[in-house]
Amino acid sequence: DGGITQSPKYLFRKEGQNVTLSCEQNLNHDAMYWYRQDPGQGLRLIYYSQIVNDFQKGDIAEGYSVSREKKESFPLTVTSAQKNPTAFYLCASSVPGQGIYGYTFGSGTRLTVV
Amino acid sequence: GENVEQHPSTLSVQEGDSAVIKCTYSDSASNYFPWYKQELGKRPQLIIDIRSNVGEKKDQRIAVTLNKTAKHFSLHITETQPEDSAVYFCAAKAGSYQLTFGKGTKLSVIP
Repeated sequence: DGGITQSPKYLFRKEGQNVTLSCEQNLNHDAMYWYRQDPGQGLRLIYYSQIVNDFQKGDIAEGYSVSREKKESFPLTVTSAQKNPTAFYLCASSVPGQGIYGYTFGSGTRLTVV
Repeated sequence: GENVEQHPSTLSVQEGDSAVIKCTYSDSASNYFPWYKQELGKRPQLIIDIRSNVGEKKDQRIAVTLNKTAKHFSLHITETQPEDSAVYFCAAKAGSYQLTFGKGTKLSVIP
């Protein structure tokens, strides 16, 4: 599946619950990213990680948390503090450098609050 | 940080006509400009990219132009086909790891 796998494809969350979205890549990429996609909003950066055990907040990090314990994995937790979590979540990875490579995206997870 | 503006937000063209999508960026240090195509419910796919030392790049029916002085770049699709219908995103990268994306253009090709 393009070397980067997101699961599950669909996820339903009850009010007040934390949920974790999985992202795994076998491309040997150092950098990984999480984006949120809403209609008409484009792709907004939640968190990114350049190397293992290091990650940085993006533009809309509030209500989200991540970890990067392994190079291959970059899970995203949507906490109960995220008031409007219904969206399409995309994970991506890239080879770090001076901007000479684009991203490889996963197939996405659609999260719905019920 | 970088800011990328993309226009138009929606575009309808007749099959066989050309489509042009324009983006502007704010950070003069940006040096990499990819374009992604996203079909409904699927992941964005890189379709073409251009680096700051190049003014134009072409790949079959798709071309991208870059004007560094004006800080804008454009996607040109010629001889459009129904399968070109999708959302297109431009992006810019300014020497860091993160791409900043435009808000997307929904292209509809009418048979």
